[in-house]
Amino acid sequence: KQEVTQIPAALSVPEGENLVLNCSFTDSAIYNLQWFRQDPGKGLTSLLLIQSSQREQTSGRLNASLDKSSGRSTLYIAASQPGDSATYLCAVFDRGSTLGRLYFGRGTQLTVWP
Amino acid sequence: DVKVTQSSRYLVKRTGEKVFLECVQDMDHENMFWYRQDPGLGLRLIYFSYDVKMKEKGDIPEGYSVSREKKERFSLILESASTNQTSMYLCASRSMGLAGYNEQFFGPGTRLTVL
Repeated sequence: KQEVTQIPAALSVPEGENLVLNCSFTDSAIYNLQWFRQDPGKGLTSLLLIQSSQREQTSGRLNASLDKSSGRSTLYIAASQPGDSATYLCAVFDRGSTLGRLYFGRGTQLTVWP
Repeated sequence: DVKVTQSSRYLVKRTGEKVFLECVQDMDHENMFWYRQDPGLGLRLIYFSYDVKMKEKGDIPEGYSVSREKKERFSLILESASTNQTSMYLCASRSMGLAGYNEQFFGPGTRLTVL
């Protein structure tokens, strides 16, 4: 069964720092990997989707990379702002999964202080 | 923009009541999902539907049922609500694109409290 791990579980940084969130998965046979953001008490917002054939995707200050062979993805946030404070989750779509379910990590809770 | 809506943001019910949670998506997506999210346990899949009238059990289907009579609507039913079903419930949808599966989009969530 696919297992997704996110490290660190929590991160606190001052405004302006560049930071990296990590996601690892145990089975490299995936269709894609998706990064989400979740604000307290809210639903998940999709940030980036990387197909298995891609190495990275960029959206504004966010850059996500994928190394399928090593089972790793990173989310890079440039010039962090207090508004980036949220929980970030990654999820993989496993090729072996029944009818396309995603497997989620537990998330990294990010706090950016002014 | 894809929009996934859920019928209620907050819901308070009594033990033993039958509870309906509704989810509607406006992008003609084939796949729809119901999750619950609890502190320390992360997101857990309850049921998913890959097309109209089709459903599959997720990891924790006990105590729940689902209905998908129309493509845009996926309902989660708690047949007899219990206090251990107090949780945040999240609905999601996704299309099956030409290249395979695409982004999954989530609704705003329903915070259910069972007293």
